[in-house]
Amino acid sequence: GNSVTQMEGPVTLSEEAFLTINCTYTATGYPSLFWYVQYPGEGLQLLLKATKADDKGSNKGFEATYRKETTSFHLEKGSVQVSDSAVYFCALSVGGYQKVTFGIGTKLQVIP
Amino acid sequence: DAGVIQSPRHEVTEMGQEVTLRCKPISGHNSLFWYRQTMMRGLELLIYFNNNVPIDDSGMPEDRFSAKMPNASFSTLKIQPSEPRDSAVYFCASTPGSGGGTDTQYFGPGTRLTVL
Repeated sequence: GNSVTQMEGPVTLSEEAFLTINCTYTATGYPSLFWYVQYPGEGLQLLLKATKADDKGSNKGFEATYRKETTSFHLEKGSVQVSDSAVYFCALSVGGYQKVTFGIGTKLQVIP
Repeated sequence: DAGVIQSPRHEVTEMGQEVTLRCKPISGHNSLFWYRQTMMRGLELLIYFNNNVPIDDSGMPEDRFSAKMPNASFSTLKIQPSEPRDSAVYFCASTPGSGGGTDTQYFGPGTRLTVL
């Protein structure tokens, strides 16, 4: 079956620190990979995605590279801001009528 | 453009009562998903529809839960009778295509359900 493993939080960083949130996956088939973000009191929203090996998704200063050889899709940002405080979900999806598989979510808290 | 709309945003009810949650997906989207989020279990898929037809309801916890999608612009999730362990945030999401592959899921703001 399909599964996503991401580091458990919470992760607490000072403003302008470097962020890495690890995500690894197992999948039957050739998945697309996603990072979703959930701000307090809101639903999830897409942060970035990558649909094939070696693709890099990027948005709002965040980046993640689809690594097929290590089955990973780690999220990085060079300099976090207080406004980045949220819960981050790694997810995968295989084509057709397949549900999306979400990780458990990693809570990030950025302090001034 | 309006996003996914859910109502009510908050619901407080007593054990044994019937609860109905409502969702209006983004116009033109073909797939609709119901999720439940709790601290203990994280985000769980309950059921999803494609072109108004239920495709996978294996996540529905028990017979007390039922979901319908009578048309492309409306879906309901019903819990009858409700129990305290049903307390959670319930999200509806929609996607343009079948829901798999490269589709992005668009989430509503959620309904926070509290069963006393």
